[in-house]
Amino acid sequence: DAKTTQPTSMDCAEGRAANLPCNHSTISGNEYVYWYRQIHSQGPQYIIHGLKNNETNEMASLIITEDRKSSTLILPHATLRDTAVYYCIVLSMSNDYKLSFGAGTTVTVRA
Amino acid sequence: GAGVSQTPSNKVTEKGKYVELRCDPISGHTALYWYRQSLGQGPEFLIYFQGTGAADDSGLPNDRFFAVRPEGSVSTLKIQRTERGDSAVYLCASSPATRGSGGELFFGEGSRLTVL
Repeated sequence: DAKTTQPTSMDCAEGRAANLPCNHSTISGNEYVYWYRQIHSQGPQYIIHGLKNNETNEMASLIITEDRKSSTLILPHATLRDTAVYYCIVLSMSNDYKLSFGAGTTVTVRA
Repeated sequence: GAGVSQTPSNKVTEKGKYVELRCDPISGHTALYWYRQSLGQGPEFLIYFQGTGAADDSGLPNDRFFAVRPEGSVSTLKIQRTERGDSAVYLCASSPATRGSGGELFFGEGSRLTVL
């Protein structure tokens, strides 16, 4: 699976949008972009995924660049409960149970 | 309950002892996964079950680690002759997919293992 690069940490203000970047320049055509998050002392939680179109659900939006080499996860109105480690994962559909989490981005939402 | 349940939530053992960690997946989920998370790192894949059989055990670090799922529901991860390096949070996940996961796994809260 392609590697991903994420910033180590970022802060954002409560009530504002949080934009989390991810680079995946070696992504191939049959690989999806998945986002998970892990709140302290809990298991990872699925957020959203996409192939090439932008996606939105009740938790977040995912914007994937046209060349698919990078993406941005958007939390539209961050709350204190969104403080967590966010993982960007590239996942091959032929091997789609082996999530490779990496180190993720530690997001701290401040009041 | 509605989610993946793991027991015990915490286990402290001595080096060389045998340990079992249990996972109750979400009812009806055919796929089950074990991951391990060391302090400060992301989870790492250990093993994947589809029904009763281990479809991929390539992530098990060595032959001290073994997992079973005899009736296609509850799974047990077994660690023999524990070592201090086995200390980690062991995460179980399940998914309803009959082929792979579709990438959307439902994780439990994990079992924290400490080997003294």
